[in-house]
Amino acid sequence: QSALTQPASVSGSPGQSITISCTGTSSDVGGYNFVSWYQQHPGKAPKLMIYEVSNRPSGVSNRFSGSKSGNTASLTISGLQAEDEADYYCSSYTTSSTLVFGGGTKLTVL
Amino acid sequence: QLQLQESGPGLVKPSETLSLTCTVSGGSVSSGSYYWSWIRQPPGKGLEWITYIYYSGTTIYNPSLKSRVTISLDTSKNQFSLNLNSVTAADTAVYYCGRLTNSGFNFDSWGQGTLVTVSS
Repeated sequence: QSALTQPASVSGSPGQSITISCTGTSSDVGGYNFVSWYQQHPGKAPKLMIYEVSNRPSGVSNRFSGSKSGNTASLTISGLQAEDEADYYCSSYTTSSTLVFGGGTKLTVL
Repeated sequence: QLQLQESGPGLVKPSETLSLTCTVSGGSVSSGSYYWSWIRQPPGKGLEWITYIYYSGTTIYNPSLKSRVTISLDTSKNQFSLNLNSVTAADTAVYYCGRLTNSGFNFDSWGQGTLVTVSS
């Protein structure tokens, strides 16, 4: 199975909004609403930020939102803050009952 | 509060078997609401899902690793384990255990991770 496609890096200034895309196929992203997003700071374990395309776990800021159109899911972070600088990964369930991650996106807050 | 803790050797020789255990506290591996999973991350690289197991014994593996991987569950100890055989330097990574929801297939809890280096 191939990794989902994410941009290697994105950047934005404090207060701005950014969007990270996650492109798969009809066998994964496009076939299920089981897309999730994770934030990972250096040396730390990933943290769930969005689940089932657009749901936020308790305690996650409402500045984080998710959506999906066809085979592409997106994570949007509004009102960028310095603490948002991290790596972000998407993942999806697949038709083979397996899971697949995206290659990861490094977010830089300028 | 759920906690997951990985344990096992930090150094494994090439061609040998990597064995890790994840101890779960604050929750039960016998819960029907979750799968129990392993994920790895080579140094400086992205996340790779390896496998998951259900309390019933159902197992699913990443096709690229399936021939070398085994996951098992020990309900009496509230643990689950990973065996990866015939390791090479390419298997050097931080290995995470995680809880996977069976309603949405998301990892809602992670261990802190353990670095396993494959080297002679």
